[in-house]
Amino acid sequence: DAKTTQPPSMDCAEGRAANLPCNHSTISGNEYVYWYRQIHSQGPQYIIHGLKNNETNEMASLIITEDRKSSTLILPHATLRDTAVYYCIVRPLPMNSGYSTLTFGKGTMLLVSP
Amino acid sequence: DSGVTQTPKHLITATGQRVTLRCSPRSGDLSVYWYQQSLDQGLQFLIQYYNGEERAKGNILERFSAQQFPDLHSELNLSSLELGDSALYFCASSRSNEQFFGPGTRLTVL
Repeated sequence: DAKTTQPPSMDCAEGRAANLPCNHSTISGNEYVYWYRQIHSQGPQYIIHGLKNNETNEMASLIITEDRKSSTLILPHATLRDTAVYYCIVRPLPMNSGYSTLTFGKGTMLLVSP
Repeated sequence: DSGVTQTPKHLITATGQRVTLRCSPRSGDLSVYWYQQSLDQGLQFLIQYYNGEERAKGNILERFSAQQFPDLHSELNLSSLELGDSALYFCASSRSNEQFFGPGTRLTVL
């Protein structure tokens, strides 16, 4: 029961911005959009999350549409080390007990080339 | 470095055997999660513990079990191993909003 849809692969030139789209048309009001990435065979790495406002941190920016049915992860200046599988996940914010697992889809394989 | 440690890094064993994977969460994290990543199934959630108690179960086989100890480290026990259990096993820990993943244990069942 996929909650998100992402393109299977994308290419980006080194130094350019990488814009990774994600559709989540059935997102609920209490669900956040999370992005993780996995560099080959390493553990997934948290990137960013948001509810409805755009968010930015040292790694990336997250743009969420006003209707919250889609979002875009932006890596402003992609490097070769950003080559990875990027996962878009929707889930409620964990409550005090910390219960909120991650359901990974197939993600987008981003290839950054010189 | 996420702060989550997993041992061993690699494990090679035979069908029918039993193995134990170990995870040490980040300091102060009460939740531990186990995930399995195989080529055909992708990353799948297995089980979660919170402060020593089982909190959530995912696609975990009956041959698999886990526990979290008073010092918050966790172990995943895999028994009666089959060829299809060959996979990367990741542990993650969390304190609030994000899960931090360890480097994983690569299990090969021959």
